[in-house]
Amino acid sequence: GENVEQHPSTLSVQEGDSAVIKCTYSDSASNYFPWYKQELGKRPQLIIDIRSNVGEKKDQRIAVTLNKTAKHFSLHITETQPEDSAVYFCAATPTRMNTGFQKLVFGTGTRLLVSP
Amino acid sequence: EAGVAQSPRYKIIEKRQSVAFWCNPISGHATLYWYQQILGQGPKLLIQFQNNGVVDDSQLPKDRFSAERLKGVDSTLKIQPAKLEDSAVYLCASSLGTGRYNEQFFGPGTRLTVL
Repeated sequence: GENVEQHPSTLSVQEGDSAVIKCTYSDSASNYFPWYKQELGKRPQLIIDIRSNVGEKKDQRIAVTLNKTAKHFSLHITETQPEDSAVYFCAATPTRMNTGFQKLVFGTGTRLLVSP
Repeated sequence: EAGVAQSPRYKIIEKRQSVAFWCNPISGHATLYWYQQILGQGPKLLIQFQNNGVVDDSQLPKDRFSAERLKGVDSTLKIQPAKLEDSAVYLCASSLGTGRYNEQFFGPGTRLTVL
């Protein structure tokens, strides 16, 4: 089945710096890659996603890039702020044999700490 | 709109006891998911419903876990009997459609501690 690896597990940056989180996936048929942010004790929330027919997508200070050939995708956060501190999860959608129903396989998470 | 609701928020039980979690998805969302999130890991899908039918339960430990969504709205997840390794946060999520690109909205989760 699909396997998603995520690095680093912990990332500490100074406010204003950029942060990059990287994920690799194994199922070449996966075609949807969302990123979720989970603040301490709260629910995961979608922050950005990318489909396999797009190489890059940007939304204000966050961007995601996808390299289908290498089967990896990355989250980029620029001008980090203390409120960006959270755990970030990447996910991929492996092939389902029976239907087109979405199934997400999550990475192990990256704890981002932004220091003022 | 109201979000995904879950109860209880916290539960502490002893091993071999049983426990049940409840989820109320966002109104109109046909697809409902139960995830297990062990500390330090990403959510792992346990079971997915489309209305009241099961789409995927391949990772559900069926000897001890069961779930139902009888009327296609609320859902319950049950563990009987619980083991120490079941300690985790159980997240319920829902999505509007069935396709690959529909956003999943998560509930606040139920933190289960098995002693």
